Amino acid sequence: GAGVSQTPSNKVTEKGKYVELRCDPISGHTALYWYRQSLGQGPEFLIYFQGTGAADDSGLPNDRFFAVRPEGSVSTLKIQRTERGDSAVYLCASSSSRVDTQYFGPGTRLTVL
Amino acid sequence: GQQLNQSPQSMFIQEGEDVSMNCTSSSIFNTWLWYKQDPGEGPVLLIALYKAGELTSNGRLTAQFGITRKDSFLNISASIPSDVGIYFCAGQLGGSQGNLIFGKGTKLSVKP
Repeated sequence: GAGVSQTPSNKVTEKGKYVELRCDPISGHTALYWYRQSLGQGPEFLIYFQGTGAADDSGLPNDRFFAVRPEGSVSTLKIQRTERGDSAVYLCASSSSRVDTQYFGPGTRLTVL
Repeated sequence: GQQLNQSPQSMFIQEGEDVSMNCTSSSIFNTWLWYKQDPGEGPVLLIALYKAGELTSNGRLTAQFGITRKDSFLNISASIPSDVGIYFCAGQLGGSQGNLIFGKGTKLSVKP
């Protein structure tokens, strides 16, 4: 596809469950970012990949959050033992390099009951 | 996490009016960006600014990168109904940090 895609678009889960959120970046983009957007707020940075490696994971709130990008393309954000406070829209963005324009996907709306 | 100070939080516009919003920060940024987000969508880039003092236009939109590198403004001239949405400023620190730091957004609505 032409843009960044994210699946699922919506995810409802119960407190304590494990979830995986997927991001397909624009083809050829080496940089990939995850952000979290709570209601009424701007997106907040979680983690940045350059290729397969996490170049900066300083935004991950705690060790329940983990992300991978094993082949330098698709990335998965994994959340263990979900809590109600994890409810938010999780946005993925990609760019051709660290300094180039970041293009955002439509996001995954996560609701933890 | 760190966020920029963006104002106003919300505003009502009448078609044809000019609109202005701004962002300030305590940090110096190498890049300032303005995004628009519609409901259920991700942010879409409107304007990118790369040099202090730079003034850039994109159609009816004009944005400036402040001289101190700690602020930016966005103007929309002759607003139209499709301008409604949430506008975010974002700054990029540079160096090895690629992530963006966002403001809380300015919600633009049409006057009833």
